[in-house]
This record gives sequence, structure tokens and C-alpha cells, in this order.
Amino acid sequence: DQQVKQNSPSLSVQEGRISILNCDYTNSMFDYFLWYKKYPAEGPTFLISISSIKDKNEDGRFTVFLNKSAKHLSLHIVPSQPGDSAVYFCAARGNSGGSNYKLTFGKGTLLTVNP
Amino acid sequence: NAGVMQNPRHLVRRRGQEARLRCSPMKGHSHVYWYRQLPEEGLKFMVYLQKENIIDESGMPKERFSAEFPKEGPSILRIQQVVRGDSAAYFCASSPTGQTRGSSGNTIYFGEGSWLTVV
Repeated sequence: DQQVKQNSPSLSVQEGRISILNCDYTNSMFDYFLWYKKYPAEGPTFLISISSIKDKNEDGRFTVFLNKSAKHLSLHIVPSQPGDSAVYFCAARGNSGGSNYKLTFGKGTLLTVNP
Repeated sequence: NAGVMQNPRHLVRRRGQEARLRCSPMKGHSHVYWYRQLPEEGLKFMVYLQKENIIDESGMPKERFSAEFPKEGPSILRIQQVVRGDSAAYFCASSPTGQTRGSSGNTIYFGEGSWLTVV
């Protein structure tokens, strides 16, 4: 039962263009969403997050959009750089039964930014 | 990732042996979480511990797996009688306080992981 889905296993974009990574969720109890970046053989690194009371959060080149009615969020990277090449995980946190410390991750999307 | 130390980074065990994975949280952090990433999967929550207490072990397999976070020393994830299906990356994370509804995403930090291979 996958509650957080990243349907694109991989994405390839040209340097300087926009990268759009998508994420869908099914659990309506999720109220906080995070994006992590992960290089091979390393741990996930927090990138950006958004609370369910917002529909957009921006941090430099990274913007996360949340569409609660569609249970969909996306991460936009503009402009994309070769150093952005990594696996990006979408994660969600809820407030169900006090377990708001538990992150539920998607399977990840491998982003490749070509020079 | 700076600060959360996991060791060993790579561990090879034969079926039936025991695996012990250690995690030292960031300085000042008293909350530890273990996640497992199976091949081609996302990270899955296993257990949440505070010093000397297991808060939530709902993600731990019922048998062979145990975790502790003693008063002194690192948190340890122990897997007894390992099987091939235990081969995975095990990530530890820590936070200074328990994650609450208002906690922002940048208050939990992951280590670099321990890769267990069972042969």
C-alpha cells in the first residue's frame, strides 16, 4: 500500500531548463510534505518542505507546489544544474494518532541534468 | 548529513549470522529514528527511540529485529539470523526534540547509511 507515489523513476533535462518532479499521495491525514535529495551511497538531505496550509513554498531555485484537492505536489528546479543530478524523494508526515514523526517516502525519481 | 554517524558503512554477513548497526546522533540530539531502504524502494520507517526508551517500533519486523538507544553510547539496530531479504541500506536519523506537527523539515538529519549485504 503505497501512500506516497512518485510515478516517474527517472527524468532527464538539459542544463538551464526547468526540472519538474511530481509526487502523489493517498492519505488525507498527511499535512506536511518534504523533498529530499540523495546522492549514491549517501543519506538523504533535506531540500524543501511545505505545510498543507500553503500551496507554494520557494527557496532559491527550488519551489514546491501543493494541490491538496488533487493530493499532488511537485518540485520545480529552475534553472537546473548538473550538480542537481541525484535521486529526489518526496516524503509526507501526518498527524494521525500522534505519529507525526514518521515520514512516509516515495520510491524516488532519478534526475539527470545534462550539460 | 553532517553529524549523524553510522557504522559500519558496509557490512557483509552470511545467512544466519547477526548484524549490528550503530548510530551516533548529532550532538545534542536525543531522538533517533531508523529507516530501511530495500532495493528500488523508498525509505521505510522502522523505529523511533529516545534515550533508554522505544517510542514506536511499528515498522520493525516482528522477529529477529531489535533496537536500543542506551543512556550512554550509540543507538544499535540488531538483526539476528539474517536472511537475504535483509539486504538493504539502513539509515539512521536524529532530531533535537521529538518531531511535532509544527516541526519544520530541516530539524531531522539523516546519516549516510549502513549497507548490509547478506550472502
